[in-house]
Amino acid sequence: AAGVIQSPRHLIKEKRETATLKCYPIPRHDTVYWYQQGPGQDPQFLISFYEKMQSDKGSIPDRFSAQQFSDYHSELNMSSLELGDSALYFCASSLAGTLGEQYFGPGTRLTVT
Amino acid sequence: QKEVEQNSGPLSVPEGAIASLNCTYSDRGSQSFFWYRQYSGKSPELIMFIYSNGDKEDGRFTAQLNKASQYVSLLIRDSQPSDSATYLCAVNPVNRDDKIIFGKGTRLHILP
Repeated sequence: AAGVIQSPRHLIKEKRETATLKCYPIPRHDTVYWYQQGPGQDPQFLISFYEKMQSDKGSIPDRFSAQQFSDYHSELNMSSLELGDSALYFCASSLAGTLGEQYFGPGTRLTVT
Repeated sequence: QKEVEQNSGPLSVPEGAIASLNCTYSDRGSQSFFWYRQYSGKSPELIMFIYSNGDKEDGRFTAQLNKASQYVSLLIRDSQPSDSATYLCAVNPVNRDDKIIFGKGTRLHILP
């Protein structure tokens, strides 16, 4: 079965640079979530989109923005990168109404130097 | 009180034994409950979900839910070394659409 696709899988950036992470949800899934996970931490919810509209917002820094496009893929844009932004970034998708049954992509490992 | 609480472990269980992982949650109106397995450096993998009080079995895994006690557990029978991972409990709180709140996770180590 098709899974969530994320690209790139690894990304190295320098401080103050920008990064764009992409997420392609499972076909027919209409909701996308972004999470950030630091070493030894649980996934921290950043933001979610349902039918191309922002549906919820978590601990996403103002330097980050995201959107969901007409084909349901989503992009997380990160600007003025800081060393503390180094983490695993996961995208998950779900079908609305399944009360949180989310399926995760493989993640993007972002390293800021 | 944290919304979803788990013992961080590590929980060490001999191979072939039953591993029991526990989770409590604070929102009494929570509707659905999930167990994710996460290997180091990998993404969380949904292995079980449960909505109703009682037990739900899937292969070697059994999820147990007690809404009155606000408690959900995961039992892994015939534990295998490949079960060694971090297990994340997640809860869908009331009126939060499809958002889920994760616990900190329990590290499980199966001893060969």
